[in-house]
Amino acid sequence: GAVVSQHPSWVICKSGTSVKIECRSLDFQATTMFWYRQFPKQSLMLMATSNEGSKATYEQGVEKDKFLINHASLTLSTLTVTSAHPEDSSFYICSGGGGTGELFFGEGSRLTVL
Amino acid sequence: QQQVKQSPQSLIVQKGGISIINCAYENTAFDYFPWYQQFPGKGPALLIAIRPDVSEKKEGRFTISFNKSAKQFSLHIMDSQPGDSATYFCAASKGVGTASKLTFGTGTRLQVTL
Repeated sequence: GAVVSQHPSWVICKSGTSVKIECRSLDFQATTMFWYRQFPKQSLMLMATSNEGSKATYEQGVEKDKFLINHASLTLSTLTVTSAHPEDSSFYICSGGGGTGELFFGEGSRLTVL
Repeated sequence: QQQVKQSPQSLIVQKGGISIINCAYENTAFDYFPWYQQFPGKGPALLIAIRPDVSEKKEGRFTISFNKSAKQFSLHIMDSQPGDSATYFCAASKGVGTASKLTFGTGTRLQVTL
């Protein structure tokens, strides 16, 4: 299947700082990528749809000013958690699709805010 | 609103047995139903998927059964192995294109014992 790479896989930051997570499609181009959030032992919750060259579309209840998404190229989407607080600690996962139409997920990025 | 209901929440199966996970959906516009496997600390991996024009799809030890009239679909894992121990998520979307948003079930934690 297609390869989606996330970086970093694990990050710890202090409360009030910002953290950027990168999501790269290694062997396909993606005009659309999705960002999910997953709490321990829970399902994936869609946060936003990242659109190459345009603004992201956020799901209801997701603060767009807190979770900044940039999709500057067909192979890179970034999620920046601004002014992070402990309640933002979670597992963040991106996904994208290749020519088959199927969606593939990155390995996830675990954020811990102290 | 939980549009995709998944059961059971957890499942213990002996090695060599059959694991069965069920999902039910509400939105009749859904027309793509994938199953994902997730190991701890990793992103979900696409396992198998089905479209509503077929009632069953088999890939190796994994089979999806689909009942359009009942709006239900299930995953069967034959000859379950300890390596199959993971969390399984069903999902659904309108369309199979790479811009289609997935709605996930709540997940099933499968444990295969020796």
